[in-house]
Amino acid sequence: SQQGEEDPQALSIQEGENATMNCSYKTSINNLQWYRQNSGRGLVHLILIRSNEREKHSGRLRVTLDTSKKSSSLLITASRAADTASYFCATDAGARSPSYGKLTFGQGTILTVHP
Amino acid sequence: ETGVTQSPTHLIKTRGQQVTLRCSSQSGHNTVSWYQQALGQGPQFIFQYYREEENGRGNFPPRFSGLQFPNYSSELNVNALELDDSALYLCASSSSGGHTGELFFGEGSRLTVL
Repeated sequence: SQQGEEDPQALSIQEGENATMNCSYKTSINNLQWYRQNSGRGLVHLILIRSNEREKHSGRLRVTLDTSKKSSSLLITASRAADTASYFCATDAGARSPSYGKLTFGQGTILTVHP
Repeated sequence: ETGVTQSPTHLIKTRGQQVTLRCSSQSGHNTVSWYQQALGQGPQFIFQYYREEENGRGNFPPRFSGLQFPNYSSELNVNALELDDSALYLCASSSSGGHTGELFFGEGSRLTVL
């Protein structure tokens, strides 16, 4: 079963615009991660935020985490056509931190960036 | 390029058959996790192998089994295939020492059960 839900399920924007994706989860976590997947291929790790962090940046990516609301958001600024992909949040809720691979994924957001 | 390789990339089986999928982990990684991703869904954790032993399992029946070898490569075996087993099977490697928990995925093996 999926840990959480992602919103929206699909997002269509123009190049240069910002894209925001949200993720909600159900249990306490050690960390939350975002992954990207191109057309049913392998997933690529984008960014990890620990449960004691509130915001993290990596290039054009900004992730926030609100553990009181059990939610996270991923912001991609100045989007490009090459950002077109599915984006998944994944939570690590292992008894020890981190659990080295036992992640629970959301259902993903399909992002389409039009040139 | 994550350094994780999976084979085969695509395969077709019929219901009731058995399948073996293979994964070579990234150099230096001692932990391999397997995920099943049905079409339009997020990946679901099947199980994890660490030091050649199963180290956690998701909600999958015993006909899903695995192995890890001394070189940390791994196999996923599925017996008595069912139509619902059609999915992309993803292998991910990680290291139990000195890292924060991100996974490195292979490109997957797409299984179609007819």
